[in-house]
Amino acid sequence: QVTLKESGPAVVKATQTLTLTCTFSGFSITTNGMRVSWIRQPPGKALQWLAHIDWDDDKFYTTSLKTRLTISKDTSKNQVVLTMTDMDPVDTATYYCARMGGYDYFDSWGQGILVTVSS
Amino acid sequence: DIQMTQSPSTLSASVGDRVTITCRASQNIATWLAWYQHKPGEAPKLLVHKASTLQRGVPSRFSGSGSGTEFTLTISSLQPDDFASYYCQQYNFSPYTFGQGTKLEIK
Repeated sequence: QVTLKESGPAVVKATQTLTLTCTFSGFSITTNGMRVSWIRQPPGKALQWLAHIDWDDDKFYTTSLKTRLTISKDTSKNQVVLTMTDMDPVDTATYYCARMGGYDYFDSWGQGILVTVSS
Repeated sequence: DIQMTQSPSTLSASVGDRVTITCRASQNIATWLAWYQHKPGEAPKLLVHKASTLQRGVPSRFSGSGSGTEFTLTISSLQPDDFASYYCQQYNFSPYTFGQGTKLEIK
């Protein structure tokens, strides 16, 4: 059974750096074709894909946030970490991690973590 | 970025109704489209990929169709468990983009 769970702070202050961890089980990110993404949803707005990291450590970012995002993985801990610098209240959102198999859709998701950015 | 437009944004229906949600892409995405169901506090769930392929374990009352720029998700006979939000997502081009969602409410 594939599971993913997000963890991190519920509140960060503006200008701080957010660090989120996705801990997963039921698959190996070292398997050919496997990837883990981060996606967010601000209150009342659409889902937005942020980044993904591949089995071979390739990394891809959404263009508008590329300068602020870093994604990494720890295969020994079955974790993927996302950092986002210079947080702003507009970054308040529920952040999800999700698995991508051989195609670019998200076949398993975590429940999400609500992150509020205070000014 | 490719814009995905869903309609309606809210849909009121009754158990047993047949409902259809539409998703339009701003460019041709062939059949690289997925549909998700999302209930508050739960993980989103993949329903359909490649426009019409039902994910394993998804009830057959769900079906997807379309290609190019216009797509639909149909629920043939609504069940109480189906009242949720639904999102489409294109994966033909990066960045992958989602529709704004359709909230399916009980009438």
